[in-house]
Amino acid sequence: QQQVKQSPQSLIVQKGGISIINCAYENTAFDYFPWYQQFPGKGPALLIAIRPDVSEKKEGRFTISFNKSAKQFSLHIMDSQPGDSATYFCAATLKTRFGAGTRLTVK
Amino acid sequence: KAGVTQTPRYLIKTRGQQVTLSCSPISGHRSVSWYQQTPGQGLQFLFEYFSETQRNKGNFPGRFSGRQFSNSRSEMNVSTLELGDSALYLCASTQLAGARTDTQYFGPGTRLTVL
Repeated sequence: QQQVKQSPQSLIVQKGGISIINCAYENTAFDYFPWYQQFPGKGPALLIAIRPDVSEKKEGRFTISFNKSAKQFSLHIMDSQPGDSATYFCAATLKTRFGAGTRLTVK
Repeated sequence: KAGVTQTPRYLIKTRGQQVTLSCSPISGHRSVSWYQQTPGQGLQFLFEYFSETQRNKGNFPGRFSGRQFSNSRSEMNVSTLELGDSALYLCASTQLAGARTDTQYFGPGTRLTVL
């Protein structure tokens, strides 16, 4: 069932460091790859998204790197802050498929 | 604009009972999708409704059903509850159907506990 594999399951990063979360997908028909951020007690919220015709997209401290041939994409959070502590989900559409989530803690 | 609202926020049921969850999308959004969130499994897609019609369905048993009303509000029903149905149930709305590139806006979820 899980068509999008996400790692690591949890991540602890020092304040100011770089957080990296990886996802791999199987279905080459997927054509849109969003990342969601979820704080406790809240639903997920769209953070940043990429389409497979570009290899990188940057918005502020958040960057998606996309490797179409390897069917992998990753989220990089630069200068990680305590306020970034949340659970992050990668996703892929058609019929939206989500990764299992990564709990990020920034100390 | 008010966000996606879900009621109730918390529910406790026993095995064998049934439950109905409600979702009101953002005003003007016509598509509502439902997801089950459990630790370690992430979000599992249940189904999507658009204009009162089910457009897509995930890989869940028939005990899980839903419907959408003419005002785009949606309900999800789970019959004959099992312990494994304990989860956070999220609904998300989008303006258009398919939710491919249109941003999904999630509600806070309904936390269902089955005893």
